This record gives sequence, structure tokens and C-alpha cells, in this order.
Amino acid sequence: QKEVEQNSGPLSVPEGAIASLNCTYSDRVSQSFFWYRQYSGKSPELIMSIYSNGDKEDGRFTAQLNKASQYVSLLIRDSQPSDSATYLCAVKGLRRNFNKFYFGSGTKLNVKP
Amino acid sequence: NAGVMQNPRHLVRRRGQEARLRCSPMKGHSHVYWYRQLPEEGLKFMVYLQKENIIDESGMPKERFSAEFPKEGPSILRIQQVVRGDSAAYFCASSRQPQTSGRPSHTGELFFGEGSRLTVL
Repeated sequence: QKEVEQNSGPLSVPEGAIASLNCTYSDRVSQSFFWYRQYSGKSPELIMSIYSNGDKEDGRFTAQLNKASQYVSLLIRDSQPSDSATYLCAVKGLRRNFNKFYFGSGTKLNVKP
Repeated sequence: NAGVMQNPRHLVRRRGQEARLRCSPMKGHSHVYWYRQLPEEGLKFMVYLQKENIIDESGMPKERFSAEFPKEGPSILRIQQVVRGDSAAYFCASSRQPQTSGRPSHTGELFFGEGSRLTVL
């Protein structure tokens, strides 16, 4: 089992819709969770971090964490074509490697005008 | 610029040459991570360092690759005798001082540099 799993996509949504990106991880010990956005040919950019169960909202982005289910998601409201990118889920602290970040392979999002 | 600085941004080498990639972490960050990414693939962890120490090099190939983070100066990822398969984007990232106890830390977000794109001819 991979430490962090994401559906590779592509996930296609129309402009203005809600995009829902999902991620599961393998270890209940993990404490810190992050979402990065990576445009083609660019470096990953941190967009959200979440540490506690529940929802965390920042503008059009909402991160959701369910530690019991070992599941973290990212919702993008009012999706824009500029949101088209690959979204990487990262988990810190798997297998008690508390300072190591584990990345999923990313979900490619296409927002169609 | 207070961000993670990587250079060179682009590097072309012929097979058998050496490649040196440099990374200066964000101000206040003491830990550096190196990742490799092939086109259309995910980030692959290579090595995690703090000043003068390699903490975790489990993702580094056993041969030809080495990394250091000296007391003074940037972190360096060195690839000796490059082969075509080394062509990739190499990303450096840094984070603040993580926790020193066994308890997980809720701090220490990871910030990436722009990457160094190595092409081996």
C-alpha cells in the first residue's frame, strides 16, 4: 500500500462548479496534512495545511480532514480555468518519521470554461 | 527574495559529466529536502538534511548521488557521471526547525524552490 494515495485523474469540472479532490494515507499517527498546487513546468505551491479533524476554509478552498478514516480532501468552490493544475496531497509524520513529508502522485484538475 | 533559492534553473550536461545543484533555504529554515520529478510523474523524495547532518537519505540512489548542507553556504546535490536517466526536475524545499522530541509537530510547512531542470545529452 502506498503511503499517500490520490486518484491521478484527470478530473474535469465546468467553470463555476465545485472540484473535489481526495487523498487517503496509510498511518493513523500522521498529524500534519498539506495540499499543494503544481502548474505544468512549475514548482509545487502550498495552498492549504490542516492539522485537526474537520474543515478549514481559506477563500475558495476548503480542506477536510477525517483522521479516523485516514482521509483528507480539498474542495475548490467556483472553480476557475486558472485552477487547472495538478494537486498534490502531502502527509507529514507517517510511520513516526515525524519530519518527513510523503507526497501522493497528484490529481490533475481541468476546469473547462 | 525570502523564498527558497535554487540554482542553476537549467543545467545541460553530457553523459559522464558532473552536475551540482544548489539550494539556499528560506530565512529561518534549518531543514532542507531534495525531491526529483520526472515529466508527468509525482515527486520522489531523495534526501533530508539539516546543517552538517544528513537525516534521511533513503531516497538517494546508492551510487553517483550525494548531498550536503554545510555549516556555511547552500545545500548541494551532486550527481557524478550523469546518465540520460538523470534528466529530471530537482526540487529543493525547506522547513522551519521541526520538533526535537518524539511528539509530532504541527508546524514546519514545506516550501519549494523553483527547481533545477537537468538535461543530460
